[in-house]
Parts: sequence; C-alpha cells; structure tokens
Amino acid sequence: SQQGEEDPQALSIQEGENATMNCSYKTSINNLQWYRQNSGRGLVHLILIRSNEREKHSGRLRVTLDTSKKSSSLLITASRAADTASYFCATDGIAAGGSYIPTFGRGTSLIVHP
Amino acid sequence: DTGVSQDPRHKITKRGQNVTFRCDPISEHNRLYWYRQTLGQGPEFLTYFQNEAQLEKSRLLSDRFSAERPKGSFSTLEIQRTEQGDSAMYLCASLGQRDEQYFGPGTRLTVT
Repeated sequence: SQQGEEDPQALSIQEGENATMNCSYKTSINNLQWYRQNSGRGLVHLILIRSNEREKHSGRLRVTLDTSKKSSSLLITASRAADTASYFCATDGIAAGGSYIPTFGRGTSLIVHP
Repeated sequence: DTGVSQDPRHKITKRGQNVTFRCDPISEHNRLYWYRQTLGQGPEFLTYFQNEAQLEKSRLLSDRFSAERPKGSFSTLEIQRTEQGDSAMYLCASLGQRDEQYFGPGTRLTVT
C-alpha cells in the first residue's frame, strides 16, 4: 500500500517558473524525504525533514512539513530544464513486524520546458 | 554516481528461469534495502538488512523471492521460477548516517 501520495501526478512548466508538488501520508512519521528520479535511473536523495521540523531549504529547494495535516510540499524555485524528472516523497511511518520501513508514493512527473 | 552499484544493469530471461542480482552498497553503510519499481509507480519495499541480519522480509512478493547479505557487505536478490509479472526495475539502496538513502542504478528485469 502507498503511504505517501504525491499531487499532482504530472506538472508541466516553463523554465524559470516555480514548481510545487505535494505529498500526503497516513500514519505518524519520524521523517519525510524527497527523492528525484531521472527516466530509467536510480533515485537521488534531495532533502530530509524530521517530524519536529516545519521547513527546510537546500539550494533552490524548499520543503515544508505539516504533521497536523499529514502533508508536505516541495518547492523548486527558478526551475531549469535539467529539473525534468519524477519526484517522490518517502516516509518511514509504517511499522511491519516492529520495523519501520520506507514507503514511497507514486511520484510527480515534472517537465520543465526550455 | 551515488557509490552504490548493481549488477547486471539489464537482465532478459525466459519464464521459469532463476535470476540473481547483486548490490554493492557504500562500504561503511550497515543498512541495505531492496525495492521493486514498476512503470509509473514509486519503489516498493521488499526487504532490508542491518549488517548481515535480514530484519524484515514479510514484504517479499512471494516465496520465490529471497535475499542474502552473507558478510554484511554486498547483497544478492534471487527470484526463482520467474514469471512475466516479475518484469520490473529492482533497486537497492544503502542508508547514510542522516537517514538518507543512496540508491543504485537498478537492474531492469524482463521476463519473456
């Protein structure tokens, strides 16, 4: 089952615009992470935000976390064509047999037009 | 390049054959994860190891799937009697000190 669900499923913007994607999850978490995946490649870690944090920045990335709404957002400012990729949120909130396992959403496919 | 390698990158096999994939994590990382990813979906957790101990395997898709990490370094994922539904990308990742995962490039399996 999917713990995190990204919204929108697809996003198409022009270079220079900002891109915002959202993630909702169902259970309590210790942290939430965002990853990028270029077509046919492995995932690359972008940023981690812990449950006691509300906002984090890394370069052109800004992540917010609202634990009361069980949601997070990823903002990419001044987008570039190279930002074209799929973006996934991952949480660690589902326990299986006492283990917390990482659970990914279905992702947001971002296309940035030059 | 994240420092995690997987071999082979592509595997084409006939239905009913066994396949084995290898993952070499970043050497100082103790935790290693295996995932399956199908088109249009996010990675689906399969199993993970802490050093050589396999701590969670209830999410392995069937008893045809097994994984090992005999010396706490590299890991293998084996699928026996492959089926067409096993066609997917198989990813491994190792866990960094700040809980970030470093993914390998994946092994793309095609079962004909």
